[in-house]
Amino acid sequence: DAGVIQSPRHEVTEMGQEVTLRCKPISGHDYLFWYRQTMMRGLELLIYFNNNVPIDDSGMPEDRFSAKMPNASFSTLKIQPSEPRDSAVYFCASRRQGAVTEAFFGQGTRLTVV
Amino acid sequence: KNQVEQSPQSLIILEGKNCTLQCNYTVSPFSNLRWYKQDTGRGPVSLTIMTFSENTKSNGRYTATLDADTKQSSLHITASQLSDSASYICVSGEGGNTGKLIFGQGTTLQVKP
Repeated sequence: DAGVIQSPRHEVTEMGQEVTLRCKPISGHDYLFWYRQTMMRGLELLIYFNNNVPIDDSGMPEDRFSAKMPNASFSTLKIQPSEPRDSAVYFCASRRQGAVTEAFFGQGTRLTVV
Repeated sequence: KNQVEQSPQSLIILEGKNCTLQCNYTVSPFSNLRWYKQDTGRGPVSLTIMTFSENTKSNGRYTATLDADTKQSSLHITASQLSDSASYICVSGEGGNTGKLIFGQGTTLQVKP
């Protein structure tokens, strides 16, 4: 398996534009997580899905952020409109059901909003 | 509020030396404690996973300990190498079958020759 795949690896966009980040989890994994990482706040959980259903979106900063998981092999995180303070590295991770199953992370998308 | 705190924030050691990183967690219900290594520009990679009934777990030169009574964990690195330079993140798994992971801020380790 190629692991968790995220695209794009880097994204530079202008303030006000829509940004869509993509994630393909590892096949057979039941959970999918979206995290945001900044120097100031470290890794923050934005939202996670279990069997394609959003379970907890309390970490989504505001209505400008939305996430979908239309099927078991694909998820998107959308920011509309983007703002400079959204600049960060966004990680997707997946794991199997079970309390101590390992979570595997993608390489991340570095987003810069200018 | 469930949270994980790590110390020190950063650490510099010489190659070949040992070091210990600390983690305190206040997560309830508690399920498991994990340590991740994150190289610059990469995603975190799991080093160890421990349940509340486990006191210690090793992965090569990395040894993690867990004291569920005091809610503390440590990660000991033996005979450090230059490739150990990275951020080490302590993570607590929430119990109750939520699947949620609570991340600490990480300790940045720099190993110098």
